[in-house]
Amino acid sequence: EPEVTQTPSHQVTQMGQEVILRCVPISNHLYFYWYRQILGQKVEFLVSFYNNEISEKSEIFDDQFSVERPDGSNFTLKIRSTKLEDSAMYFCASSELAGTYNEQFFGPGTRLTVL
Amino acid sequence: ILNVEQSPQSLHVQEGDSTNFTCSFPSSNFYALHWYRWETAKSPEALFVMTLNGDEKKKGRISATLNTKEGYSYLYIKGSQPEDSATYLCASQNFNKFYFGSGTKLNVKP
Repeated sequence: EPEVTQTPSHQVTQMGQEVILRCVPISNHLYFYWYRQILGQKVEFLVSFYNNEISEKSEIFDDQFSVERPDGSNFTLKIRSTKLEDSAMYFCASSELAGTYNEQFFGPGTRLTVL
Repeated sequence: ILNVEQSPQSLHVQEGDSTNFTCSFPSSNFYALHWYRWETAKSPEALFVMTLNGDEKKKGRISATLNTKEGYSYLYIKGSQPEDSATYLCASQNFNKFYFGSGTKLNVKP
């Protein structure tokens, strides 16, 4: 069964460094999402992406964050200058359709630790 | 930011018990309500996507109802089994943004 994959599973970085989290969505899906979950808190929506541009973004998704679909298969989240509070589990998701029939498939997540 | 609340936070039941939990969400600008099942160390798995007031969906022993006017959804599990142990998350969709509740952690004891 097709699945969303994410790499790496765990990333440790120093504060101020740039990180790129990678996702490979399911191949026929058109909509892509990033979420994060800080330990002990709710899952938070970061951004949705369709047709090579951002569809929606949350208040969390500031200038430090960017997303890209560089090659038609990968979907990346870049954090330019990491802060301690960026430490979280980051989930990628994809769906075939947006709107009312939007069943999302989640990847296993990348645990980001900022020291 | 939409505030989505789930209750209870956790639930312990015996195998064979039926159980239900609640997701409440703002009814204004409602688009869709999603339920997910999330087992430890795995990815959230979509259970239901519900859009219309009065919607009822069923998948095996799990079913869900939706009331968009008052802003709540119930998830029911009939005859709980140990393999139902997981966190059940709901998320309210506003166009292409999603707002999650904190989840209900269900533990089913054999």
